[in-house]
Amino acid sequence: DIQMTQSPSSLPASLGDRVTITCRASQDIGNYLRWFQQKPGKSPRLMIYGATNLAAGVPSRFSGSRSGSDYSLTISSLESEDMADYYCLQSKESPNTFGAGTKLELK
Amino acid sequence: AVQLVESGGGLVQPKESLKISCAASGFTFSNAAMYWVRQAPGKGLEWVARIRTKPNNYATYYADSVKGRFTISRDDSKSMVYLQMDNLKTEDTAMYYCTADSGGYWGQGVMVTVSS
Repeated sequence: DIQMTQSPSSLPASLGDRVTITCRASQDIGNYLRWFQQKPGKSPRLMIYGATNLAAGVPSRFSGSRSGSDYSLTISSLESEDMADYYCLQSKESPNTFGAGTKLELK
Repeated sequence: AVQLVESGGGLVQPKESLKISCAASGFTFSNAAMYWVRQAPGKGLEWVARIRTKPNNYATYYADSVKGRFTISRDDSKSMVYLQMDNLKTEDTAMYYCTADSGGYWGQGVMVTVSS
């Protein structure tokens, strides 16, 4: 199975900061990479698909990128509503696999 | 609007069985691969199972942790997807989410608790 190594597990940041979360794939997954946001007590929300494409309704401060087997989610200027858990998911092969998650919190 | 509504969760004892359901609406269900994803209390997301569409022979895929114990199925005539869970273990305790469009749409989740 493909392993997704996500880092960091916790990310303290201040409002207005530029933050980046990364996932590394253990095998080639092409651009079959999605990013999800999850707030406490809520269902996950798709943010990025195809590694770099913004899902409908997602603010433009969010972006996705790829460098080889490393995939990144960047928030250009952190807002309070962005405080949440974030997960990557590879959908290249079944079973699909999530990263372990990143908790984004206020410093 | 797209809606996914899970039902059938509850408290069961280890080694027992439970079947949870997901009712879909607002999109062409028969054209959509469907998934189950779970989240144990305080833990991360875990992909559980996937079922493809009729042209893809309703092929199914499972996480290693549930293979041989869980069965995903669908009824396109009712726009329903199911997860039959047999030989349940305490580590199966989680919120179970139904998703479509590779995570583009999510239900609100249904809680399954396995405890003696």
